[in-house]
Amino acid sequence: DGGITQSPKYLFRKEGQNVTLSCEQNLNHDAMYWYRQDPGQGLRLIYYSQIVNDFQKGDIAEGYSVSREKKESFPLTVTSAQKNPTAFYLCASTRGRGETQYFGPGTRLLVL
Amino acid sequence: AQSVTQPDIHITVSEGASLELRCNYSYGATPYLFWYVQSPGQGLQLLLKYFSGDTLVQGIKGFEAEFKRSQSSFNLRKPSVHWSDAAEYFCAVGAPLTGGGNKLTFGTGTQLKVEL
Repeated sequence: DGGITQSPKYLFRKEGQNVTLSCEQNLNHDAMYWYRQDPGQGLRLIYYSQIVNDFQKGDIAEGYSVSREKKESFPLTVTSAQKNPTAFYLCASTRGRGETQYFGPGTRLLVL
Repeated sequence: AQSVTQPDIHITVSEGASLELRCNYSYGATPYLFWYVQSPGQGLQLLLKYFSGDTLVQGIKGFEAEFKRSQSSFNLRKPSVHWSDAAEYFCAVGAPLTGGGNKLTFGTGTQLKVEL
């Protein structure tokens, strides 16, 4: 079945630690996105990538980094510079310009 | 810049009753509009979308939405709610990106509770 997978489902971060969230898609979609969801705030765009080896900052990119070495994969690293990382992180992808975004199941990040 | 307002944070309806969730948007051109649903701890599932054409769009699970340009609205409706419809609903407006894909701006969501 085609779809988007995110791992892990839950992730725990210690102070000063970088953690990486995985996002993989087998839909052959060109564009991929990372969103952060906080209660009562909807979803906010962190980064997006339209092609391999290229990505753009979204609205809240500070404290995050991404890479896009393969079309299928778009990992997100939450760095120690992100002071409030506790949130639900969602990955999405689209086939082309203006197309529908399809979402993965999400990763919940918690701080120890 | 685009924006979306969902004025109702929480809505409670009885099973079998009709439902309307409100969504107002701000966007300079003809918008791409979406409704997504999210169950607790899950990702977002697309209910329906409007790109162009007929302003009344049908979606999955018996939902429909009507695009009204004059009111900048895209309200979601269902004639008879089922207990399984209890979830959080998000309206979003999309702007195409040069180079592919689109940028979605989401509303803050409406939490639907269904009373049996």
